[in-house]
Amino acid sequence: QSALTQPASVSGSPGQSITISCTGTSSDVGTYEHVSWYQQHPGKAPKLMIYDVTNRPSGVSNRFSGSKSGNTASLTISGLQAEDEADYYCSSYISSSTLDVFGSGTKVTVL
Amino acid sequence: QLQLQESGSGLVKPSQTLSLTCAVSGGSISSGGWSWSWIRQAPGKGLEWIGYIYHSGGTYYNPSLKSRVTISVDTSKNQFSLKLSSVTAADTAVYFCARTSSQCGYYYCWFDPWGQGTLVTVSS
Repeated sequence: QSALTQPASVSGSPGQSITISCTGTSSDVGTYEHVSWYQQHPGKAPKLMIYDVTNRPSGVSNRFSGSKSGNTASLTISGLQAEDEADYYCSSYISSSTLDVFGSGTKVTVL
Repeated sequence: QLQLQESGSGLVKPSQTLSLTCAVSGGSISSGGWSWSWIRQAPGKGLEWIGYIYHSGGTYYNPSLKSRVTISVDTSKNQFSLKLSSVTAADTAVYFCARTSSQCGYYYCWFDPWGQGTLVTVSS
């Protein structure tokens, strides 16, 4: 059972924007600014897309953006493209020092 | 550009020990502000953080695996390793190594980069 809750799937048409939510608690997302997002294509390793809630690593498209409100963090993909079809995992620092830091994952489908 | 590469046995018999190594290139495993992690993903499942190690040798393991896990580091070879004993079919997974940022001041901020992953199958 994951510490962070994500929708199992989200879909959108090319060019649209979609948002993936990641709900935690006041012990993680709600208090700390260390939420990260990972993109994983089938058979590939996860790739860091967003760190510290809103920051994009060098090389990551600016179509990806992160935000947070209360206990829920969000990843928005704008101008959806076929290559964005993948699994997305959120993660957060958790004050209990647990290693259970990942969300359950969301499958993004481009219609 | 930092790169990580896993290697090790891809097929392990039940009750035996799984052994993997992660070679780090393009940077030093002794750099401050980072730890080095093992993460696994069972077929069709999510990500599970197994544990991490600092270049000094300090470790922290997932309580669910703690009795069976050993992570070690060899700074002279710029690599770190995972041993998981008494494996069962439930340990069949893709195993990833990853650099773990602790630059936010906590034990975990984010993972970047990741190795490509290696599939380990537990079967007789």
